[in-house]
Amino acid sequence: EDQVTQSPEALRLQEGESSSLNCSYTVSGLRGLFWYRQDPGKGPEFLFTLYSAGEEKEKERLKATLTKKESFLHITAPKPEDSATYLCAVQAGNAGGTSYGKLTFGQGTILTVHP
Amino acid sequence: GAVVSQHPSWVICKSGTSVKIECRSLDFQATTMFWYRQFPKQSLMLMATSNEGSKATYEQGVEKDKFLINHASLTLSTLTVTSAHPEDSSFYICSASPGSGDREQYFGPGTRLTVT
Repeated sequence: EDQVTQSPEALRLQEGESSSLNCSYTVSGLRGLFWYRQDPGKGPEFLFTLYSAGEEKEKERLKATLTKKESFLHITAPKPEDSATYLCAVQAGNAGGTSYGKLTFGQGTILTVHP
Repeated sequence: GAVVSQHPSWVICKSGTSVKIECRSLDFQATTMFWYRQFPKQSLMLMATSNEGSKATYEQGVEKDKFLINHASLTLSTLTVTSAHPEDSSFYICSASPGSGDREQYFGPGTRLTVT
């Protein structure tokens, strides 16, 4: 069974204080690892997809990296508007099976950035 | 690009009634759509996978006769909660994938269902 564990559960930062969020996963053949941002009462907003170990992607103050066992979301000099829940999800590579494309989500990390 | 809408954004219904939620991909065709449920302070749990023109695939533990899914076109999927009960109150979110589900999934804004 695919499993995703995110840590920490909650993270409080001061504006400008860089940090990292962790996503550890166990999956039967990783097809893709996804990062989403979710604001309260809204649907997840797509951030990144990573497909293979060693891959990195950046968007503004965010940078996602991937190894064979985990992914990190690095936040550089965060601002209060970066406050949100960050979700990590994995997609298994069992093409042709039921629920093809299924995403298994972690519990999320609640990030709060204080001014 | 890649915008997914849901309607309604929130709905209150009485126990025993049925509620229909629509999910639309506005600027792309979605062969595959997914329906998730999210309880307060919890993550998203997949309910079912919907493929255009075929029957939906439900996750273990999800009652297919209670949660009816129809994927009538490449831009529209509907979820009908039949004979709703208070325990069905939740945040229902759909996602759509431009391909066969094996690439990025774009999520709708969600529908808050409250059953009284």
